[in-house]
Amino acid sequence: DTGVSQNPRHKITKRGQNVTFRCDPISEHNRLYWYRQTLGQGPEFLTYFQNEAQLEKSRLLSDRFSAERPKGSFSTLEIQRTEQGDSAMYLCASSLEPDYGYTFGSGTRLTVV
Amino acid sequence: GENVEQHPSTLSVQEGDSAVIKCTYSDSASNYFPWYKQELGKRPQLIIDIRSNVGEKKDQRIAVTLNKTAKHFSLHITETQPEDSAVYFCAAWGGSEKLVFGKGTKLTVNP
Repeated sequence: DTGVSQNPRHKITKRGQNVTFRCDPISEHNRLYWYRQTLGQGPEFLTYFQNEAQLEKSRLLSDRFSAERPKGSFSTLEIQRTEQGDSAMYLCASSLEPDYGYTFGSGTRLTVV
Repeated sequence: GENVEQHPSTLSVQEGDSAVIKCTYSDSASNYFPWYKQELGKRPQLIIDIRSNVGEKKDQRIAVTLNKTAKHFSLHITETQPEDSAVYFCAAWGGSEKLVFGKGTKLTVNP
């Protein structure tokens, strides 16, 4: 297990299409986080899981966004009816303890055209 | 909720000089403060962190200081090298059970 893995690395989609991203965290990490990062900004919190339970979802996340972590291992983030404003880098991170440094994945760069 | 302010947004120094990046946080319950370095096109990587029961921590050329009373913390890089050029993010962990990040500082080290 070499770290947090995200797929795909890049995704270009037409406006209105649905997209799904996958994150595989470090296996022993029970906490998994999704963040969004736009150019020149810091990572912005979207949602997080402890094991399979989704414990918090940002108010910035519209109903078009949904995330799952069905067996407490990998997670998926789905965006329905994509809009140009959804274009960003979507980062996944995992951690072992609550107040502990995250290990980030390389991210999925989404471009909505 | 927690709010983290970071400045400056850009910083340019000559190789060998020191660089200082400052952050303030709003949630007095925050107790963990990591710093991340992000090179162009790469993932953020943890470079140093500090907890609220410590005032200063050093790791070779980098150090972090924390002032709980004033609710601010700083990253210090000494003897800067061109490979230190990157975007640096501070973050704070508090009652919200997640890291809240600053907007980042783009550091350029000129040879």
